[in-house]
Amino acid sequence: AAGVIQSPRHLIKEKRETATLKCYPIPRHDTVYWYQQGPGQDPQFLISFYEKMQSDKGSIPDRFSAQQFSDYHSELNMSSLELGDSALYFCASSLATGNIQYFGAGTRLSVL
Amino acid sequence: QKEVEQNSGPLSVPEGAIASLNCTYSDRGSQSFFWYRQYSGKSPELIMSIYSNGDKEDGRFTAQLNKASQYVSLLIRDSQPSDSATYLCAVNMVRETSGSRLTFGEGTQLTVNP
Repeated sequence: AAGVIQSPRHLIKEKRETATLKCYPIPRHDTVYWYQQGPGQDPQFLISFYEKMQSDKGSIPDRFSAQQFSDYHSELNMSSLELGDSALYFCASSLATGNIQYFGAGTRLSVL
Repeated sequence: QKEVEQNSGPLSVPEGAIASLNCTYSDRGSQSFFWYRQYSGKSPELIMSIYSNGDKEDGRFTAQLNKASQYVSLLIRDSQPSDSATYLCAVNMVRETSGSRLTFGEGTQLTVNP
């Protein structure tokens, strides 16, 4: 069965650079979630979208923005990167809100 | 106090034993509860979901929910070395927004010794 696809899998950036992470949800899933997981920490919710509209917002820095497109894929844009942004970024998708969330393999971002 | 708390680890059990993982949550209105397994550097993988009080069994895994005590647990029977991973308790908390974010516990690292 198709799963959540994230790209790129690994990303290395310098401080103050920008990064764009992409997420393709499971087919027919209409809700996308973004989570950030620092080393040795649990995943922290950043933001979610339902039917292309932002549905919830968590601890996402103002330097980050995200959107969901007409084909339901989502992009997380990160600007003015800081060393502390180094983490695993997971995208998850579900069929409508409140249902089981399935996670992608993640993007490992390293900021040097 | 964290919104979701798990019993402190790491937890080490011999192969074939029962591993017991515990989780408490603070929001009494929470409706959905999940256990995810995460191998180091990999993504969380859903093991169990539970929505109503009582037990739910799936193969070697049993989830237990007690909403009155705000307590969720996961039992792993006949533990195998391949079960060695971090187990994350996740709660879908009731919020004013229409979203359904998961709030995770800090995870319990389980090691099953051959």
